[in-house]
Amino acid sequence: DTGVSQDPRHKITKRGQNVTFRCDPISEHNRLYWYRQTLGQGPEFLTYFQNEAQLEKSRLLSDRFSAERPKGSFSTLEIQRTEQGDSAMYLCASSSTQRERETQYFGPGTRLLVL
Amino acid sequence: AQSVSQHNHHVILSEAASLELGCNYSYGGTVNLFWYVQYPGQHLQLLLKYFSGDPLVKGIKGFEAEFIKSKFSFNLRKPSVQWSDTAEYFCAVNIPGFQKLVFGTGTRLLVSP
Repeated sequence: DTGVSQDPRHKITKRGQNVTFRCDPISEHNRLYWYRQTLGQGPEFLTYFQNEAQLEKSRLLSDRFSAERPKGSFSTLEIQRTEQGDSAMYLCASSSTQRERETQYFGPGTRLLVL
Repeated sequence: AQSVSQHNHHVILSEAASLELGCNYSYGGTVNLFWYVQYPGQHLQLLLKYFSGDPLVKGIKGFEAEFIKSKFSFNLRKPSVQWSDTAEYFCAVNIPGFQKLVFGTGTRLLVSP
């Protein structure tokens, strides 16, 4: 496994700007997840995809957030009109439904700072 | 809704001391349980997991955890910690058939040499 990769690793933006993050899952994994982690907290689930279908979205995912996985491979998470409260680490994870005892493997995250 | 409690937010130990980190969850049905570790500057890594079977689970680097269903607990243990175990440890749970992982707030472990 080459691991889950995320890009960029760090992003600083001004309030009101749009940002987009990318996640590349482990190659044979068909499920992909987005989590958000703020200081002093554990990761919180945002959404997940099975192949290209977005199957669950958290209430944390406001209208300003949109995630896509158009070809069932990489995924993007876009935040429109960023707010200071969006500052957090955005984590991506992937898993395979083909594996017994399905386990999520995490990427390094994208740290977002909204000024 | 499920929730996970990790009561120890910060733990400081000397090398060779024994470790036990608490994890309790709130859900009355069947759960899958995980411990993840985040070493300084690194991403979350799986330490061990429990799905079914023997409630005593062994993971990497000498860690183990015991699932006690009656106590809704999944405590992490290591008989003798090393300086390299300095990290943040997260307990997580999901319900079989549902993909969302629910994490605790984490425990920061500092092992002094």
